[in-house]
Amino acid sequence: DVKVTQSSRYLVKRTGEKVFLECVQDMDHENMFWYRQDPGLGLRLIYFSYDVKMKEKGDIPEGYSVSREKKERFSLILESASTNQTSMYLCASRRILDTEAFFGQGTRLTVV
Amino acid sequence: EDQVTQSPEALRLQEGESSSLNCSYTVSGLRGLFWYRQDPGKGPEFLFTLYSAGEEKEKERLKATLTKKESFLHITAPKPEDSATYLCAVQGATNAGKSTFGDGTTLTVKP
Repeated sequence: DVKVTQSSRYLVKRTGEKVFLECVQDMDHENMFWYRQDPGLGLRLIYFSYDVKMKEKGDIPEGYSVSREKKERFSLILESASTNQTSMYLCASRRILDTEAFFGQGTRLTVV
Repeated sequence: EDQVTQSPEALRLQEGESSSLNCSYTVSGLRGLFWYRQDPGKGPEFLFTLYSAGEEKEKERLKATLTKKESFLHITAPKPEDSATYLCAVQGATNAGKSTFGDGTTLTVKP
């Protein structure tokens, strides 16, 4: 069974903290993605990576950075968390770009 | 720019009452149209991929169809466990790996 695992289901962080969200996939997929999902705004792409050490900005990269040092792991970093980054964060991976994505279970981040 | 519009936003059905969800899209060079199911508080789960107009896929009570402008997810004799949000996404040829998602249709099936 294919799997995308996010390190936390729920996180509460303080404004200004540096936050790391980790994602690991066991499918040997080249492509990995970070989305955030907010009511009424749907899924919005933050960053994606098509290879180790490669990254591309998505639609809303401001305030975020990413790291992909190994093929199976893609990390999302909130450099200085703010309350408007309170959201559900979803990691996904795909083998090639015209195939389906597999999503993790999501991380509900609350910034107070 | 690729666009996906799903309708209706919400749909309430009685158990056994069949219906359809719509996904209208505009895309430059369709590489794939995807349907996902998302339960509250969880990540989306893949259902179907459709690649060309006229294609159909089935799984249990669900059937997805595709034309050049829209896709339908038909739900036959739904059960309460089919209650979820259904997301549609398209992958175009020109947007470098960024799938475009619709906002979803939230389906509630009452027993």
